[in-house]
Amino acid sequence: DGGITQSPKYLFRKEGQNVTLSCEQNLNHDAMYWYRQDPGQGLRLIYYSQIVNDFQKGDIAEGYSVSREKKESFPLTVTSAQKNPTAFYLCASSPRGGLPYEQYFGPGTRLTVT
Amino acid sequence: AQKVTQAQTEISVVEKEDVTLDCVYETRDTTYYLFWYKQPPSGELVFLIRRNSFDEQNEISGRYSWNFQKSTSSFNFTITASQVVDSAVYFCALSGGGAAGNKLTFGGGTRVLVKP
Repeated sequence: DGGITQSPKYLFRKEGQNVTLSCEQNLNHDAMYWYRQDPGQGLRLIYYSQIVNDFQKGDIAEGYSVSREKKESFPLTVTSAQKNPTAFYLCASSPRGGLPYEQYFGPGTRLTVT
Repeated sequence: AQKVTQAQTEISVVEKEDVTLDCVYETRDTTYYLFWYKQPPSGELVFLIRRNSFDEQNEISGRYSWNFQKSTSSFNFTITASQVVDSAVYFCALSGGGAAGNKLTFGGGTRVLVKP
């Protein structure tokens, strides 16, 4: 089945450690996105990539890094510089084109840092 | 800057009641796109509808309907005859398109609780 996978569903880390969240899609979409969701709040864009080997900062990129070496994969690293990393992280993808297409979302990774 | 406001943080209804979710947006773009997503307890967002700024026709899909009013910058969503399975958080989102690509600005979401 086509879709987006994020692993793991729950992730626990100690403060000061970097952690990488996985996002893979087999929808053949060019564009991929990372969002952060805090309890009771909407989604905020961290990074996005419209094509392989290219990505742009979103609204809250500080303390995060990404790579886009393959079309199918867009991993997000939460670095120790991110002051409040505990959150729900959602990855999404969409076709790239002239019109904004709907984004397809993965199941999310809930990160807890203590 | 773009902004989406969903003033209702939580709505509780009894099954079979209708529920309307408000969405007000701000943008300087003349061409833009509006979306509604549903987030069930599992966490994954599900796409419901996309509407462009030139199409002000209301839309109905089963028990769902949407009312787009450009004059008031609103894109409201109504669930008719609500069911327990409609319990979820609903997000309204805005995209300016163009060079911004598919960047979405989300509202804060409205939690809908449908009681049996």
